[in-house]
Amino acid sequence: QTVVTQEPSFSVSPGGTVTLTCGLTSGSVSTSYYPSWYQQTPGQAPRTLIYSTNTRSSGVPDRFSGSILGNKAALTITGAQADDESDYYCVLYMGSGIWVFGGGTKVTVL
Amino acid sequence: EVQLVQSGAEVKKPGESLRISCKGSGYSFSYYWIAWVRQMPGKGLEWMGIIYPGDSESRYSPSFQGQVTISVDKSISTAYLQWSSLKASDTAMYYCARQDGDSFYYFDYWGQGVPVTVSS
Repeated sequence: QTVVTQEPSFSVSPGGTVTLTCGLTSGSVSTSYYPSWYQQTPGQAPRTLIYSTNTRSSGVPDRFSGSILGNKAALTITGAQADDESDYYCVLYMGSGIWVFGGGTKVTVL
Repeated sequence: EVQLVQSGAEVKKPGESLRISCKGSGYSFSYYWIAWVRQMPGKGLEWMGIIYPGDSESRYSPSFQGQVTISVDKSISTAYLQWSSLKASDTAMYYCARQDGDSFYYFDYWGQGVPVTVSS
């Protein structure tokens, strides 16, 4: 079964830049997987950040950006702020109406 | 305004049945797929399955096929997730989410979640 991989955790300084990645245990992530990214803070429902690799959802600050880096999808936070401290999840569309989430990355801003 | 409003918290015993709901409003419910996502305590998001209200076509993650049933009543703009015999391991938060209608294959609106506790 296909597994979507994410780093378990990252730490970033306020104002710093961090890049989270979303890969596959077998194969490369491309735009054909329509990678999307979601932010979740404790006790809250997920919030959509990025879809179709690099399109920001409505109202999402431009310090969040998406891309393909090598064989993975990536979410970059440029100029991290304290309220960016959250869990971040990617999800890939596998085709045939099936999606798979990554395990999530916990981002700490300190 | 698009909204997905889910039913309230549930506390059940192992072996009991359960159906939770997700009511859409502010858009044409029949024309957007609705997905269900599980989050076990302290864990990540897991995609369970999806249904198209227009014709009730559904798809399931292999991990959840046969374990749950996704259904819909488009006349009342409501999708359902149900179990016939709950297990303690079904204890989790369950979210519904709408798939975008423009074939970008992402989830643009989310419900508030339903906490389900299964304990004897």
